[in-house]
Amino acid sequence: GAGVSQSPSNKVTEKGKDVELRCDPISGHTALYWYRQRLGQGLEFLIYFQGNSAPDKSGLPSDRFSAERTGESVSTLTIQRTQQEDSAVYLCASSLEVGGGSPLHFGNGTRLTVT
Amino acid sequence: EDQVTQSPEALRLQEGESSSLNCSYTVSGLRGLFWYRQDPGKGPEFLFTLYSAGEEKEKERLKATLTKKESFLHITAPKPEDSATYLCAVGGSNYKLTFGKGTLLTVNP
Repeated sequence: GAGVSQSPSNKVTEKGKDVELRCDPISGHTALYWYRQRLGQGLEFLIYFQGNSAPDKSGLPSDRFSAERTGESVSTLTIQRTQQEDSAVYLCASSLEVGGGSPLHFGNGTRLTVT
Repeated sequence: EDQVTQSPEALRLQEGESSSLNCSYTVSGLRGLFWYRQDPGKGPEFLFTLYSAGEEKEKERLKATLTKKESFLHITAPKPEDSATYLCAVGGSNYKLTFGKGTLLTVNP
């Protein structure tokens, strides 16, 4: 596809359940980023990948959050034992290269609601 | 730590009424300043990258400018379809983009 694809677009889960969010980046993009957007807040950095490696995991809110990327393509963000404060839109973005000077191209996000 | 502050938080304009949005930033080793547009229920859509003070970029009714401390997004003769949230972000030496909270622009017909 031409753009970044995320699935599911919406996810409603019960507190305590695990969820897995998927991101398909633009083909050929080396860098992949996950951000979280809460209502009325700015985008909060979670993690980035350079190839399949995650050099900076500093934004992950707790050890309940993990992410992986395989084949320098698809990435999954997993949240274990979900809490209500995890409710947010999770945005994935990819860029040609890591370095701070390359624009990110975003998907439309996964809206997660924890009940 | 990199920081981005956008003002105003919300701006309401009449169609044709030009204005500017502000993005003030502090960053360690600026690699790029980025402007995005975000529509409800969608991800941010990339508009511009600015790399150095004095640089300007234009796209239709939008023009972005950059100084060493801030960037402006000028909107000339806006139309209702320009209504959206406009996000500013900086990329520094830590390789991640830091975003502001955005300006919600509403253009009334």
